[in-house]
Amino acid sequence: DADVTQTPRNRITKTGKRIMLECSQTKGHDRMYWYRQDPGLGLRLIYYSFDVKDINKGEISDGYSVSRQAQAKFSLSLESAIPNQTALYFCATSDPRQGDYGYTFGSGTRLTVV
Amino acid sequence: AQKVTQAQTEISVVEKEDVTLDCVYETRDTTYYLFWYKQPPSGELVFLIRRNSFDEQNEISGRYSWNFQKSTSSFNFTITASQVVDSAVYFCALSEASSNTGKLIFGQGTTLQVKP
Repeated sequence: DADVTQTPRNRITKTGKRIMLECSQTKGHDRMYWYRQDPGLGLRLIYYSFDVKDINKGEISDGYSVSRQAQAKFSLSLESAIPNQTALYFCATSDPRQGDYGYTFGSGTRLTVV
Repeated sequence: AQKVTQAQTEISVVEKEDVTLDCVYETRDTTYYLFWYKQPPSGELVFLIRRNSFDEQNEISGRYSWNFQKSTSSFNFTITASQVVDSAVYFCALSEASSNTGKLIFGQGTTLQVKP
């Protein structure tokens, strides 16, 4: 199994629908992140969490919410999807306290809002 | 403010040519980490290298090499004898040790097309 698993891999949804993207990890990392990728813009941070009770906004959090249900799970929700939220979404984990300043990424969720 | 710039949006080369992807970064931290990722057409992010700010030694891994120069705040990536399988989007990224978020700051990405 992958260290960081994202579900679904692909999703097409209609404008106005609520949708949840899920991320689970087996790395035992405390830090989890949601990024969004758009062509020509690289990856931008939506939300991040350092702990089950810790949720922080990133640079583009409007229109999104997150839930850290457990250390291993971090979900991203679009309450009312709109077409400009069509993008590739990545979940990532890290834990500098483990002496590793690397990041582990999921395989991505390709979301299309029509 | 922290920033990563990949000025080359798209590069097209013919197979076996050498190609260099540029990355320039901005940070006020003295301790930071630089990364390169490859994103093939399938979409996943493939980790290529991590370099910390105290290690300016260049690195070579097969056909890949990286040139880290703190004096010019650059961390360039060279592919020697490019192959069609190298076609992908390449991202340079920065992480600052002092950052409260621990986030990765990405460049815009460079799309490399290697033609047969």
